[in-house]
Amino acid sequence: SQTIHQWPATLVQPVGSPLSLECTVEGTSNPNLYWYRQAAGRGLQLLFYSVGIGQISSEVPQNLSASRPQDRQFILSSKKLLLSDSGFYLCAWRLAGGGYTFGSGTRLTVV
Amino acid sequence: GENVEQHPSTLSVQEGDSAVIKCTYSDSASNYFPWYKQELGKRPQLIIDIRSNVGEKKDQRIAVTLNKTAKHFSLHITETQPEDSAVYFCAASDTGTASKLTFGTGTRLQVTL
Repeated sequence: SQTIHQWPATLVQPVGSPLSLECTVEGTSNPNLYWYRQAAGRGLQLLFYSVGIGQISSEVPQNLSASRPQDRQFILSSKKLLLSDSGFYLCAWRLAGGGYTFGSGTRLTVV
Repeated sequence: GENVEQHPSTLSVQEGDSAVIKCTYSDSASNYFPWYKQELGKRPQLIIDIRSNVGEKKDQRIAVTLNKTAKHFSLHITETQPEDSAVYFCAASDTGTASKLTFGTGTRLQVTL
């Protein structure tokens, strides 16, 4: 069966520090992968998505970047965090036929 | 791009009553409409979905209806229970290779005893 792993679960980082969040998928090949962000008490905002290795589409121009170095690995990065980068970051992959499954999320607090 | 509107933002019902959450979408190319339930501090979990070739789908106490002409779809929960309390999100996408889900703003459902 397919599973999605996301880490770390929580992160507290100072303003200006770098960020790296990782997501990996098991049990499937060539999945579509997505990064969403959820601000406290708010909806889900699509940040990046990828349909294959090295293929990244950005939905919102901002302080973040994404990379897909391997088929089942999706990384979200920042060189210098801002206070506004705080939120709940969710990786997701698309099941065959259209369903999306989310990872357990990373709660990022920038202080 | 796609725009999904969701109403109401909050909904309080008594245990045993029904709850209805409504969404509208803008892109006629959208053909896949999932609903997610998110409990506090947890990831969104898919609870039911519907495709554009179907008008209604049921799974026990949960049902979803779709009106493609009017571009709206609704979630119906019958015989609500306290464990139904959560935030519910609707979403829409096409099912092409580069599909991406666009979410509504969420509905906080509170089921009171």
